[in-house]
Formats: sequence, structure tokens, C-alpha cells
Amino acid sequence: NAGVTQTPKFQVLKTGQSMTLQCAQDMNHEYMSWYRQDPGMGLRLIHYSVGAGITDQGEVPNGYNVSRSTTEDFPLRLLSAAPSQTSVYFCASSSKGLSANEQFFGPGTRLTVL
Amino acid sequence: GQSLEQPSEVTAVEGAIVQINCTYQTSGFYGLSWYQQHDGGAPTFLSYNALDGLEETGRFSSFLSRSDSYGYLLLQELQMKDSASYFCAVNSGGYQKVTFGIGTKLQVIP
Repeated sequence: NAGVTQTPKFQVLKTGQSMTLQCAQDMNHEYMSWYRQDPGMGLRLIHYSVGAGITDQGEVPNGYNVSRSTTEDFPLRLLSAAPSQTSVYFCASSSKGLSANEQFFGPGTRLTVL
Repeated sequence: GQSLEQPSEVTAVEGAIVQINCTYQTSGFYGLSWYQQHDGGAPTFLSYNALDGLEETGRFSSFLSRSDSYGYLLLQELQMKDSASYFCAVNSGGYQKVTFGIGTKLQVIP
């Protein structure tokens, strides 16, 4: 199993550009989440999904969109990139039931917005 | 809203024991998790406490007191590879409503 994969690993955007960060998992997990990590601020929840077709907002959703058309994929879209969105983005997944609180994280996407 | 407090940095000697504390304020509470993150890496899950008491997993133990809104991570027989950041995280609204603390950077010295 590859676990949770994210692409790209690094990305540089100009202000106003849009892009999609890809996230996929091959563990058949129901739950998936997107976090951003900034220095001194820990991880902050952007959006999450409890299953295909179901998404909800986290702590910092503004400027981001998500969709969950399949169990495996959970892409994060930046609509119009801003310098404040420079960050490291992590995707995570977990299974339903007793193991739901054990989140598996992808390797991250390091995004710089100029 | 939710808030968590944990020390920003801790230094400990190889072979020793270190305790990283976490206090939280939350409008709902399901449980407290701990994650480890090495520099440049992804967070990895260490433990989860939903009930009061101590959970032990090898050299790592985690404790929770719901009445005190307090938990800690205990690392025993410290090794150099334990140098990393450790995050506590509160699950306050179901499985995916997770709020992380800012992390404690642990440095293990010889």
C-alpha cells in the first residue's frame, strides 16, 4: 500500500493563480482531511470529508474548495492564490470506527505564493 | 472555540524520561491525540485517549484527565531519534473535528 499520497511536493504560484493539490489514499478510508501548517501555529483544519459526496468546513476554509467524488481522492482547490496561503499542506485519512482517531498523513505539499 | 496549550520547547538527556503537558479548552470533547513530527516530515500518530487514565505503547505513554482538561505524553528511555515536535490534538466534534496545539519541540542531547 502506498498509504496517503500528495502531489505536487513543491509548488510556486503567482498571486491570483489557481491550482489543485491532489490527495489520494489506497486504504479504503472513509474520512479524509486537509490541514495547513504554518510556523508556530501547528496544523489547522481546512476542510474534511466523512465519505464520498460529503464535505464540510474546518477552521480555515476561506479561499479553498474541496470535493469528494470517490473514496480514494480528495483534491484541494485554491481559487485565487494569495501570499497568505503560503504554507505546507497535509492531507490525512482515517478509517471509520474504533481506529477513526488515528489519522494517516501524506508527505505534504510545500506551496509558495509570490 | 478550542484552544490548547503545550510548552514550545523541551530539552532532555538521552536515556532519561520526559513529560510533555497539554491543557485544553473546548466546547465539546471526544478525546486527546498525540502526534510526532520530525523536521520536514509528516505527522505520525502516537496515541489517543478518550477516557481518564494512562495508555502505554512501548516507550511512550499518554495520560488524560477529563475533569482537569489536561493530558501528557511521557517518553521513556529517550533516544536521539526522539528529537522531533510533538503535537497534542483535541477531537471536539466527531472524528474529523480535530484541533492541534502549536507543538512542543523536543531536543534530546547526549
